[in-house]
Amino acid sequence: KNEVEQSPQNLTAQEGEFITINCSYSVGISALHWLQQHPGGGIVSLFMLSSGKKKHGRLIATINIQEKHSSLHITASHPRDSAVYICAVGVDSNYQLIWGAGTKLIIKP
Amino acid sequence: SAVISQKPSRDICQRGTSLTIQCQVDSQVTMMFWYRQQPGQSLTLIATANQGSEATYESGFVIDKFPISRPNLTFSTLTVSNMSPEDSSIYLCSVEDPAFSGGYTFGSGTRLTVV
Repeated sequence: KNEVEQSPQNLTAQEGEFITINCSYSVGISALHWLQQHPGGGIVSLFMLSSGKKKHGRLIATINIQEKHSSLHITASHPRDSAVYICAVGVDSNYQLIWGAGTKLIIKP
Repeated sequence: SAVISQKPSRDICQRGTSLTIQCQVDSQVTMMFWYRQQPGQSLTLIATANQGSEATYESGFVIDKFPISRPNLTFSTLTVSNMSPEDSSIYLCSVEDPAFSGGYTFGSGTRLTVV
């Protein structure tokens, strides 16, 4: 079992739909990261969470430390949101990140 | 937050040749990280580069294949040597973002195809 599990692996939705991507982890963490990877390969950091909830525009990220679970939500989804969304966790003992496999999101117009 | 300029963005190379990837950061950072992402896979850390010392390589990666330079606190290069088609991947550099503790900034990636 991977230490960081994302679901779903693939998600196709219509423009305007509310999107939820889930991330579960099995290790003690210092922080959880949500990142976005576009088809060209570049990665953009969206959120870093250690507790609670963060919001940026149409994106919302939540984390439940007790349940070792985080969700990324996209409201009013748009085709430009199409990308791979990656969850990664930072471990207390070192600087390394443990990466989820990513969720490929396609938003159709 | 820090901004990273990574070059080249993509390249198609002949097997047996080498490619050097550059990352320039707009602020001084202690540690730079180099990742590989093979097709359909998640990111794998190749090595960590500190200024003024040898890079630290992860299991499965060796200096002869992936030599790294870190001449100052804002710049690093990764060379992919003696390339084979199996080296076709996206290569990314990353730094701990000095603007917030525990955060990371990533380069735009280099998509390498070896033919």
